Amino acid sequence: IAGITQAPTSQILAAGRRMTLRCTQDMRHNAMYWYRQDLGLGLRLIHYSNTAGTTGKGEVPDGYSVSRANTDDFPLTLASAVPSQTSVYFCASSDTGNEQFFGPGTRLTVL
Amino acid sequence: GQNIDQPTEMTATEGAIVQINCTYQTSGFNGLFWYQQHAGEAPTFLSYNVLDGLEEKGRFSSFLSRSKGYSYLLLKELQMKDSASYLCAVIDSNYQLIWGAGTKLIIKP
Repeated sequence: IAGITQAPTSQILAAGRRMTLRCTQDMRHNAMYWYRQDLGLGLRLIHYSNTAGTTGKGEVPDGYSVSRANTDDFPLTLASAVPSQTSVYFCASSDTGNEQFFGPGTRLTVL
Repeated sequence: GQNIDQPTEMTATEGAIVQINCTYQTSGFNGLFWYQQHAGEAPTFLSYNVLDGLEEKGRFSSFLSRSKGYSYLLLKELQMKDSASYLCAVIDSNYQLIWGAGTKLIIKP
């Protein structure tokens, strides 16, 4: 692994289904982030983690949960997907306060 | 509330110079980033300003005035590959990154 990876690349999901988006980084960054990006709205922070074992809520956390069991992994779970969660999801990591490095994104469509 | 303003879209000609402005009102300030994002791709880091003044990096320069809550990104000798969205982001007092909606730059031959 080089940098930060996300899986899947894209997914079509029926409303009401549970879905976990995966994110893994190998840069040993303390902080990790999940964003959603919708046309005209820019990047909006869903959840973040400043260090392994801790998480925090961002601007738009409702309907999403995260965990940070170790430094490398930061999965994002949609417990019961709704169409308004159709978006492009980016995971990012950084040393706290420094530039963020982004994964390639997951394009999610909820029908 | 916290707010970052950028123009939605700009058009420029190949070989020319373009300036993309960003104004911000945030709770505290611990630095400002510019990122580039090509369509369908992830944002990538361009520049970081924490002190007033101009930071130059090749064809790209970024300027900051903390007293005015203002920054700009200057792109010189524009190339077609510079067609992308440019995102301004500010680190607030809680060390959270506040993002602008981005400026879509269209380069014409």
